Amino acid sequence: GENVEQHPSTLSVQEGDSAVIKCTYSDSASNYFPWYKQELGKRPQLIIDIRSNVGEKKDQRIAVTLNKTAKHFSLHITETQPEDSAVYFCAASWSNDYKLSFGAGTTVTVRA
Amino acid sequence: DVKVTQSSRYLVKRTGEKVFLECVQDMDHENMFWYRQDPGLGLRLIYFSYDVKMKEKGDIPEGYSVSREKKERFSLILESASTNQTSMYLCASSSNKITDTQYFGPGTRLTVL
Repeated sequence: GENVEQHPSTLSVQEGDSAVIKCTYSDSASNYFPWYKQELGKRPQLIIDIRSNVGEKKDQRIAVTLNKTAKHFSLHITETQPEDSAVYFCAASWSNDYKLSFGAGTTVTVRA
Repeated sequence: DVKVTQSSRYLVKRTGEKVFLECVQDMDHENMFWYRQDPGLGLRLIYFSYDVKMKEKGDIPEGYSVSREKKERFSLILESASTNQTSMYLCASSSNKITDTQYFGPGTRLTVL
C-alpha cells in the first residue's frame, strides 16, 4: 500500500514568517494529494489539494507544490498568522482507490 | 453543506465491554471510513465501505468490526474493548467521484479502563 512520510513533526514560526511542510509518497501511481488542517479539538478539514497533472496550486496564503519525479509534495503557508496554528496532515491516493493514506501530521505553532 | 455526525464526543468503557461507535452523514455519500488518530501516528484507516452492506479492511482492522445497513450510517464495533484501543476515532465520508474530498466527523474520544 501507499506510504506517506511527513516532515517536520513540529514547526514553530514567528508570526509573519513562512512555514513549509514536506511529504513524500511511495506509490508512483498516486495522483491525488490533499492537505487537511485540524485545529485543537476540531475535525480535520480540507484546505487545499492538488492532482498529478498540476505542479503547483495556490489559494491566498497557502500553496502546494508537487514533484512527481521525486515523489514529494509540499505545503507552503506565507505570512503566517496565529490562526494558522494547528496540526496539518498530508495524504495521497490513487485514482481508482477512494482511500487516503495520511502522513503522521505536523504541529504548527505561530508565535506572536 | 456536508454534515458528518458521530454518536458521542467522549466515551469511557471498561475492558471487555462491547462498544458501538456510530457515524451518520447527510450527503448521500457512497463511501464511509473509520480512522483512529493517535499522536505521532496520524490517521490510520481501520475499515471502510463503498456501499451498503459492503466493507473492506483498512490498515489496522484487528479488534474491530463494522456494519453498514443503511447508506447514511456506518458503525464501528469493538467486540471486546482493550486498553490499547483508547484513542480518538474519526469517521469520514466521500462521494463516489474519483478522488473526491473526505469529510470528517467531530471524533469520539474513547477511553478504555
